[in-house]
Amino acid sequence: EVTLVESGGDLVRPGGSLRLSCVASGFTFVDYWMTWVRQAPGKGLEWVATVNYDESQKDCVASVKGRFTISRDNARNSLYLQMNSLRVEDTAVYYCARDAGWSRLDSWGQGTLVTVSS
Amino acid sequence: DAVLTQTPLSLSVTPGQPASISCKSSQSLLHSDGKTYLHWYLQKPGQSPQLLISEVSSRFSGVPDRFSGSGSGTDFKLQISRVEAEDVGVYYCMEAIHPPTFGGGTKVEIE
Repeated sequence: EVTLVESGGDLVRPGGSLRLSCVASGFTFVDYWMTWVRQAPGKGLEWVATVNYDESQKDCVASVKGRFTISRDNARNSLYLQMNSLRVEDTAVYYCARDAGWSRLDSWGQGTLVTVSS
Repeated sequence: DAVLTQTPLSLSVTPGQPASISCKSSQSLLHSDGKTYLHWYLQKPGQSPQLLISEVSSRFSGVPDRFSGSGSGTDFKLQISRVEAEDVGVYYCMEAIHPPTFGGGTKVEIE
């Protein structure tokens, strides 16, 4: 069974940093691209970032460019999202998702809540 | 970047009746490889989203055949032939190439 478990969400002040983690199991992690999607409270879904198998391709939404970095450790079956210079508008549940290609997100974690507030 | 506009914003359906959700893109979603990367997701209340349909019309594993997707270019549709109580939630379309973008969502409720 495919399982994705996110962690690292917390309350942080504007301008602060946070690192989210997602541990994958039940599939060959290195065979898949991986994606982060977020959902602000009461709002819709927003694609955040995607990384390919070996980190040679990465992309992220314009609003987080220069502040967020997606990465992965295939030896640890783990996906990460380093978030710097956090803003109030980054407050959201962050989901890790397995990307079967072209944003075909076929498995999702339960999400981790990031709250940016003073 | 493409903008995906879903209509209606919400839908109240009697069990057993059909439902239809539209997703219109501001740009063509036909890729140069000939494929159209438009997917549909459902987020049930209190749950993470789940994949329903990929590349316009391919149902994901385990998705009932009452769900179907259609469309091309900029206009797409998700149809539920006979709505059941378990279908409640928010439906999102998503395109993968401009960069990836979700539609605003359509909330489906049971009457």
